[in-house]
Amino acid sequence: NAGVTQTPKFQVLKTGQSMTLQCAQDMNHEYMSWYRQDPGMGLRLIHYSVGAGITDQGEVPNGYNVSRSTTEDFPLRLLSAAPSQTSVYFCASRAESGSPEQYFGPGTRLTVT
Amino acid sequence: TQLLEQSPQFLSIQEGENLTVYCNSSSVFSSLQWYRQEPGEGPVLLVTVVTGGEVKKLKRLTFQFGDARKDSSLHITAAQPGDTGLYLCAGRSNDYKLSFGAGTTVTVRA
Repeated sequence: NAGVTQTPKFQVLKTGQSMTLQCAQDMNHEYMSWYRQDPGMGLRLIHYSVGAGITDQGEVPNGYNVSRSTTEDFPLRLLSAAPSQTSVYFCASRAESGSPEQYFGPGTRLTVT
Repeated sequence: TQLLEQSPQFLSIQEGENLTVYCNSSSVFSSLQWYRQEPGEGPVLLVTVVTGGEVKKLKRLTFQFGDARKDSSLHITAAQPGDTGLYLCAGRSNDYKLSFGAGTTVTVRA
């Protein structure tokens, strides 16, 4: 199993550009989530999904959209990038909401100039 | 403000020394997790503690959950350079969401 994969590893955007961060897992996990990690802030939840077709907002959802059309994939979209979105983004999955084991992807480092 | 406060923020010790990292909150959690993160990688789960007062050991790492389920500590005995990394605690609330602390960066010098 590849676990949780994320692409790209690095990305530089100009203010106002849009892009999609890809996330996929091959463990048949129902629960998937996106976090951003900033220095001194820890990991903050952006959006999450408890299953295909179901998504919900986390702690810092503004400026981001998500969709969950399949169990495997959970892309994160930035519609109009802003410098405040410069961060490292992590996708994570676990079998279901109550499962203790959470697996993280390797992260995407995004810089918005 | 951070729901979970970790201390210290940075810790640099010599190989063979012991260290303790603390994770404190005013909130009660149904469980608490500890992760280790290395540069350029995602966090990796080390342990989950569920019961107040619970102590778990993972080789040279000892994790304790406070009696009131508001705080936790991670103790490393005889630290090795391989223990270097960012240690994150995360508390789970009843809606299954995880709240992360800002992390403690541990450096073990050879």
